[in-house]
Amino acid sequence: QSVLTQPPSVSGAPGQRVTVSCTGSYSNLGAGFDVHWYQQLPGTAPKVLIYRNTNRPSGVPDRFSGSKSVTSASLTITGLQAEDEADYYCQSYDSSLDAYVFGPGTKVTVL
Amino acid sequence: EVQLVESGGGLVQPGGSLRLSCSVSGFIFDDYAMSWVRLAPGRGLEWVAGISWGGGNIVYADSVKGRFTVSRDNAKNSLSLEMTSLGPEDTALYYCTRKIQGVSNWFDPWGQGTQVTVSS
Repeated sequence: QSVLTQPPSVSGAPGQRVTVSCTGSYSNLGAGFDVHWYQQLPGTAPKVLIYRNTNRPSGVPDRFSGSKSVTSASLTITGLQAEDEADYYCQSYDSSLDAYVFGPGTKVTVL
Repeated sequence: EVQLVESGGGLVQPGGSLRLSCSVSGFIFDDYAMSWVRLAPGRGLEWVAGISWGGGNIVYADSVKGRFTVSRDNAKNSLSLEMTSLGPEDTALYYCTRKIQGVSNWFDPWGQGTQVTVSS
């Protein structure tokens, strides 16, 4: 059972806005540890999409954005595209476990 | 180009052992801490183990502590994961990944992974 929780799936039509939530607790997000987001396209390795809550690596489209608020974080895709269909994972650090932790992943489906 | 290539996965019986390797290129290996992360069906990503740039600081997830050993050879640009007492719960795709350290830490990039299947 993950210490970070994510919805199993979200979906939207092309062009719509979808949000993936990531909820933590006092020992991870609530302790001030940053959240990072990864995209895993089918059959490929995970790729960092957002780092340190809100930052996009070069090459990541600006339709992807991140936010964080105390014990929760969100990844928003504005203007959903077919190629965004993938699994998305949040990641942080947990001081109680002394370990890096991932959410269980959210499958984004483009209708 | 930064590349991480895992190898050594396979089918192993419960209670068996396996050694995974990760060969890296395209960056100064001993400038970075490294980690192993696994992806199990229905369980998502799980951080398994991490090792500092020089190998002096090693940490493990509780689920593998005492069974897995991570090591590195900076002269050979190589990372390893020795796995013993394997159980079905260890069945997963194992990724080698570079840790980006700063105010907070994340993982970038990732190799393509090597599959470990524990079954009789």
